[in-house]
Amino acid sequence: GAVVSQHPSRVICKSGTSVKIECRSLDFQATTMFWYRQFPKQSLMLMATSNEGSKATYEQGVEKDKFLINHASLTLSTLTVTSAHPEDSSFYICSASGESETQYFGPGTRLLVL
Amino acid sequence: GDSVTQMEGPVTLSEEAFLTINCTYTATGYPSLFWYVQYPGEGLQLLLKATKADDKGSNKGFEATYRKETTSFHLEKGSVQVSDSAVYFCALSPQGGSEKLVFGKGTKLTVNP
Repeated sequence: GAVVSQHPSRVICKSGTSVKIECRSLDFQATTMFWYRQFPKQSLMLMATSNEGSKATYEQGVEKDKFLINHASLTLSTLTVTSAHPEDSSFYICSASGESETQYFGPGTRLLVL
Repeated sequence: GDSVTQMEGPVTLSEEAFLTINCTYTATGYPSLFWYVQYPGEGLQLLLKATKADDKGSNKGFEATYRKETTSFHLEKGSVQVSDSAVYFCALSPQGGSEKLVFGKGTKLTVNP
């Protein structure tokens, strides 16, 4: 099946710094990529949807200036958490879909902000 | 709004036991329903799906039937294996495709030999 990777798998940063997370579709072209956030013992919450070459669509309550999403190519999307604070600590998961419209998920990135 | 409720875990079973993980949903319109599985250290994988009422999704011995009258999509397997140990997520797509998935909280299953 289709493979989606995320990098890094785990990151620890100081409060106030910015962190970039990459999501790559390794063997298919992803016309749409999704970014989710998962708190412990909670559901995956959709943060934003991005289509290649256009601006991301953010879900209600998600700060677009805080969580910058770039989908510059059909195989790469990045999520940048700007000026991260401890409350941004979470598990971030991306998914990608192409022609089949099935979402293929990455393994997630654990962010810890000290 | 749309939501998915699935049974709280963790669930611990012995090998060859029968598995049921309950899932109910709230949605307007005609959603598609999904079960995803997340094995340790891996991303979520689509396990099965159903797109309309009375459809049965099946894969790897797992089954789930889209029940509109009870707004349910319970996951079942007749005989679980140790390799089925994972976290299972029920999800719906309000628009009927696979976009904008709404997930349940996940149910962790552990199967002991």
